Order: sequence, then structure tokens, then C-alpha cells
Amino acid sequence: NAGVTQTPKFRVLKTGQSMTLLCAQDMNHEYMYWYRQDPGMGLRLIHYSVGEGTTAKGEVPDGYNVSRLKKQNFLLGLESAAPSQTSVYFCASSFLIRPGSGSGANVLTFGAGSRLTVL
Amino acid sequence: AQSVTQPDIHITVSEGASLELRCNYSYGATPYLFWYVQSPGQGLQLLLKYFSGDTLVQGIKGFEAEFKRSQSSFNLRKPSVHWSDAAEYFCAVLSRGNTPLVFGKGTRLSVIA
Repeated sequence: NAGVTQTPKFRVLKTGQSMTLLCAQDMNHEYMYWYRQDPGMGLRLIHYSVGEGTTAKGEVPDGYNVSRLKKQNFLLGLESAAPSQTSVYFCASSFLIRPGSGSGANVLTFGAGSRLTVL
Repeated sequence: AQSVTQPDIHITVSEGASLELRCNYSYGATPYLFWYVQSPGQGLQLLLKYFSGDTLVQGIKGFEAEFKRSQSSFNLRKPSVHWSDAAEYFCAVLSRGNTPLVFGKGTRLSVIA
């Protein structure tokens, strides 16, 4: 059971370069999220998706784009990387939680993180 | 939109002492509430969650949390801390509409002998 897989795990970019982070989940989750984690800032939501073909902006969307062409994949793109985008990026996915949902399952799953450095 | 406040940036406790980490949320209705733990260099692991029902929820590693609607709080507790509990703890809130999942800034826990 792979759960949520993020690739790559590490990447170093030069300012102005572009790249894409891939998040893949094999749990048939409806919802997917991209967060960035910076010291003292916690996890801040970049973009999220409530289903295939839909995306929405989070708290810090500027400089990022996303796509959800397939239910199992959620891509995060940096068109022109900046040093301020040096961070650890986490992807997460979840089912739609409905009232009365049982408490047994872990319905929110995170990837292991992708560390991006922009020089 | 909902928000989460973790008032304590860093807490230090002695091994064997009790622990309480605070979490307050801002949301118009009862949200879904979560606590996650992140060990250094690791991803996030779910400790426990509250959806509905009993307001005292039990989690893994001996942690529990109590939802108090009147205080808009979901504080995490452990009766006796172990050195391995040193980590960063995040409270998170999910609206009943299921989006978005919002995290607090985290509380770093240090455990001393």
C-alpha cells in the first residue's frame, strides 16, 4: 500500500527555472492538497482540489499552479522559481468526510514531503 | 474561513510529567478537528481526530484530546510524557464542507530528563 507518494523528494533549482512536483495517491480519495512548510509558519495551504478537473486557491497560491487531470494525481508547478519558494512541500489526500462517519479510519494521509531549494 | 491558533510556540516538559498542548479554532459551526505529530525530518502522522459524538477522543501513543465547543478548543493531553514524544505538534481544522484543511503554526515539544 503506497498511500501518498511525492516525487521528487529533493530538488535544487536556480532562480527562474521551472519544475513540477507530482503527488500520487492510490486510495481513491476525492480531496487533495498541497502545503508548504516553513520554520515558524506551520503548514500553509497552497492549492487544493475537491475532485478530478477542479482546483482552488489556498492561503499562499502566488507563484504556483496546479492541475488534477486524473483523480489519483495532483501536480504542483513552479513556472519561474524564486528563492522565497525554498521550502518543504507536503501533499495530502482525503475522502469526503460525511456526518456520521466512523472514527476508525485514518482518512487524511500525507506524503513524506519534497524538499525544494531555489538558489 | 476557519482558522487555527496554537498559542504556544515551544513547550519544554520533564520526562514523566503531564502535557497539555492548546488549540483554538475559529469556525461558525463544529468542524472536524485533528492533531498531527511531526518528528524531525519526517512527515506528519495523525494522532487523533474528532468528527462527532464523545468529546473526549483517544489517539495513538497515549494521547487524548477534548473538544470543548464553548471554548472553541481542542487541547491535546498526555498524562506522562516520554522522551520520544519530542516533536512538533499541529492542530488542524476541516470545515463541514470538507475544505480546506487548515493547520495551526505548530507547537514544538522538548522533553528533558
